[in-house]
Amino acid sequence: NAGVTQTPKFRVLKTGQSMTLLCAQDMNHEYMYWYRQDPGMGLRLIHYSVGEGTTAKGEVPDGYNVSRLKKQNFLLGLESAAPSQTSVYFCASRSVGGGKTQYFGPGTRLLVL
Amino acid sequence: RKEVEQDPGPFNVPEGATVAFNCTYSNSASQSFFWYRQDCRKEPKLLMSVYSSGNEDGRFTAQLNRASQYISLLIRDSKLSDSATYLCVVNPRAGNNRKLIWGLGTSLAVNP
Repeated sequence: NAGVTQTPKFRVLKTGQSMTLLCAQDMNHEYMYWYRQDPGMGLRLIHYSVGEGTTAKGEVPDGYNVSRLKKQNFLLGLESAAPSQTSVYFCASRSVGGGKTQYFGPGTRLLVL
Repeated sequence: RKEVEQDPGPFNVPEGATVAFNCTYSNSASQSFFWYRQDCRKEPKLLMSVYSSGNEDGRFTAQLNRASQYISLLIRDSKLSDSATYLCVVNPRAGNNRKLIWGLGTSLAVNP
């Protein structure tokens, strides 16, 4: 099992460009999450999904959109990147009823110039 | 008061030392608690859940004090490989699927 994978690992964008971050998990988990991690801020939840076809806003959703068309994939979109979105983005997943253990992907480092 | 607070450290200890971290939380109704470990430029990984009666996993012991609203992590016989940031995580309510509260982490450096 690969667990949780994220692509790309690193990306540089110019202000105003768009991109999509892909998260994939092969553990048949129902719940998936997108976080961002910034120095001095800790992990902050952007959006999450409790199942295929459903998404919900987290703590810092502005400027991001998500889609969960397939159970194993959770996409995070930036429509018009801003320097404030420079961050490390982590995807996580967990099973229903399997405690609250979240399994994280290796992260995507995004730099917006 | 922040929802979850940790001493950022860094804690610098020699190999073989015992070191303890505390984490305080503000919501007295919080339901479950965890310690995650994050290595430099890596993803967080679950170290252990924290149970009401306290629990141990090898060299690691976790404790919960609901009266004083803190959890602790004790590491005995520190190894070089224990060097990492330790994140305190709190689930504020039962049935909550979305918002775990993450501390900023405590940095540990174990020196030879």
